[in-house]
Amino acid sequence: ETGVTQSPTHLIKTRGQQVTLRCSSQSGHNTVSWYQQALGQGPQFIFQYYREEENGRGNFPPRFSGLQFPNYSSELNVNALELDDSALYLCASSSLGPTDTQYFGPGTRLTVL
Amino acid sequence: AQSVTQLGSHVSVSEGALVLLRCNYSSSVPPYLFWYVQYPNQGLQLLLKYTTGATLVKGINGFEAEFKKSETSFHLTKPSAHMSDAAEYFCAVSDLGTGANSKLTFGKGITLSVRP
Repeated sequence: ETGVTQSPTHLIKTRGQQVTLRCSSQSGHNTVSWYQQALGQGPQFIFQYYREEENGRGNFPPRFSGLQFPNYSSELNVNALELDDSALYLCASSSLGPTDTQYFGPGTRLTVL
Repeated sequence: AQSVTQLGSHVSVSEGALVLLRCNYSSSVPPYLFWYVQYPNQGLQLLLKYTTGATLVKGINGFEAEFKKSETSFHLTKPSAHMSDAAEYFCAVSDLGTGANSKLTFGKGITLSVRP
């Protein structure tokens, strides 16, 4: 069974740039959730995708957008990067259902200078 | 909206001592509760979860947690700490309002240190 993978591991960008982060979900999972974890904080929900459609969104501006592909892998796109976007971005995959365990990837560390 | 409070940001125990990490939640509906562990430079790993049924939940690595509705608590315990337990621990509640597979609302986390 292949776990959740994310790429790249680390990324350095400058303010105003755009970034794309990628996530491959665990085999058999059709739902992907993205979280932002600032230093010293708990993860915060960005949005969730189920069968290629956005299925819930947290309190993040529209410059945070996403995609889910037919194979259930996913992308997180962030436009017009700000310094506060520096964080660990975590992807979690799961099956459908509020009690189903979300399996997390190792994350992408984004630094915005 | 759901919320989670984890009291204290750092807990230090001796190897072999009891581990107690506190978590209180706020929810307008019966909650689903989770504990995750995060080792340095890694993602989150599920320790245990409470959905319905037995209020004492056993997880991996000897951890367990008890759901107490009257106290709105879901504290994590382990009878005897091991050096390998040193990590960041997050309590989370599942938001049922979004339907389908729900988002997790996390606490700020507690860093557990284990002294030899």
